[in-house]
Amino acid sequence: DSGVTQTPKHLITATGQRVTLRCSPRSGDLSVYWYQQSLDQGLQFLIQYYNGEERAKGNILERFSAQQFPDLHSELNLSSLELGDSALYFCASSVGVAGGEQYFGPGTRLTVT
Amino acid sequence: GEDVEQSLFLSVREGDSSVINCTYTDSSSTYLYWYKQEPGAGLQLLTYIFSNMDMKQDQRLTVLLNKKDKHLSLRIADTQTGDSAIYFCAEAGVRNTPLVFGKGTRLSVIA
Repeated sequence: DSGVTQTPKHLITATGQRVTLRCSPRSGDLSVYWYQQSLDQGLQFLIQYYNGEERAKGNILERFSAQQFPDLHSELNLSSLELGDSALYFCASSVGVAGGEQYFGPGTRLTVT
Repeated sequence: GEDVEQSLFLSVREGDSSVINCTYTDSSSTYLYWYKQEPGAGLQLLTYIFSNMDMKQDQRLTVLLNKKDKHLSLRIADTQTGDSAIYFCAEAGVRNTPLVFGKGTRLSVIA
């Protein structure tokens, strides 16, 4: 158990809908990272927050947004969902802002039908 | 931009050694990491090496770094069926930039 929790574990929704994925980092970790894992694209970094502020942005679509709250939990919002958004979404956390030693949550499997 | 390449598949017999290779392009990489992903789970940090080291050993795991060729390898001695997983190489470039992951090598261990 990494100490990172993600909810929900599975999510099935229709195209055009909006969903919110939630992540609680390990106790004491200030950075939260979001990744998308799909068969064709591999593991793609989406976005990083550090202590409530956006720190780095990767291949995140404009339809996606995230935030980190004062209690350090984070939410990833995915809107106008398309079939191609079906993937595993991982959250990871690290102590500092430069996060090589990241601790991953179990992921949320999103299926868009 | 940075890129990390790995072969996609590796199959070994139980008890043999496994060697998983990785090449990266960012010469400013400071740390290089190996993560393991078991089926249905998130990634788990296995080990890492600082860029000024050539080798690091941790029980059955040996990491070799050839900085000149930008080549990293992970050797697993006495491979067990429980080692079957996807192994990701990742590099951290200049300070505070996010990790760049390879696509992962799926290791299958045959009993």
